[in-house]
Amino acid sequence: EPEVTQTPSHQVTQMGQEVILRCVPISNHLYFYWYRQILGQKVEFLVSFYNNEISEKSEIFDDQFSVERPDGSNFTLKIRSTKLEDSAMYFCASFEDSYTGELFFGEGSRLTVL
Amino acid sequence: SQKIEQNSEALNIQEGKTATLTCNYTNYSPAYLQWYRQDPGRGPVFLLLIRENEKEKRKERLKVTFDTTLKQSLFHITASQPADSATYLCALHNAGNMLTFGGGTRLMVKP
Repeated sequence: EPEVTQTPSHQVTQMGQEVILRCVPISNHLYFYWYRQILGQKVEFLVSFYNNEISEKSEIFDDQFSVERPDGSNFTLKIRSTKLEDSAMYFCASFEDSYTGELFFGEGSRLTVL
Repeated sequence: SQKIEQNSEALNIQEGKTATLTCNYTNYSPAYLQWYRQDPGRGPVFLLLIRENEKEKRKERLKVTFDTTLKQSLFHITASQPADSATYLCALHNAGNMLTFGGGTRLMVKP
C-alpha cells in the first residue's frame, strides 16, 4: 500500500540551528501538508502546498519556516533558526484530490531543540 | 472564533460495549468532516469521511453521524475491543484545502 515517508524519524539540534525535514508524499497525490504536534497537544496545521506553491498557511508558519518541492518526489520543511518551542512531532501529509479529502500522514519526524 | 471541541477526558469502556465520541464545532460551515485514529507517537490514520448532505456513514464496526444544525458529529465503535484503544480525532474542512483537527478523545477499552 502506498505511504508517505518521512526522514529523519528523530532529530536533535541546538537552538539557532537550521533544520530540514524531508517527506516523500504518495506519488499521484497533488496536495501536500505539514502539521505539527507538540507533546500532549493537538495536531496543528502549518502549511498546505499545491501546484508548486503555498496555498494556505497558519499563524505558526512564520518567516522562520519555508517549504519546497525541489524535485518530483520530495517535499521539505525548513526551519531556519530553531527555537526551544519548535520541539514537536512534525507530520507530513498528502492527498489525491479535494473530492476524497482523505489525508495520508507519514509517521512523523520528532524534533528536539536543546 | 472557530473551535472544534472534543472531550479531553479519556473515555473508559468495557470490551464489547459501544463507544460514543463527540465532536462539536462553532463558527464553521464544513463541507465535510473526518475522523482519524492516532496511536501514541504515530501519525493520524484516516477512518471515515462524512459530507454535509449525509446524515450517517458506516464502515464495519464504525458509524459516524453529522448534524449540521446541532454542529455536532458522533463517532460510534460497536463491539469495542482492546485494540480500539487510541486517540480519536475529529477534523473539519472549511473553505480551501485546510483540514483542522480537534484535540482528540482518548479511548481505553478494557478486557
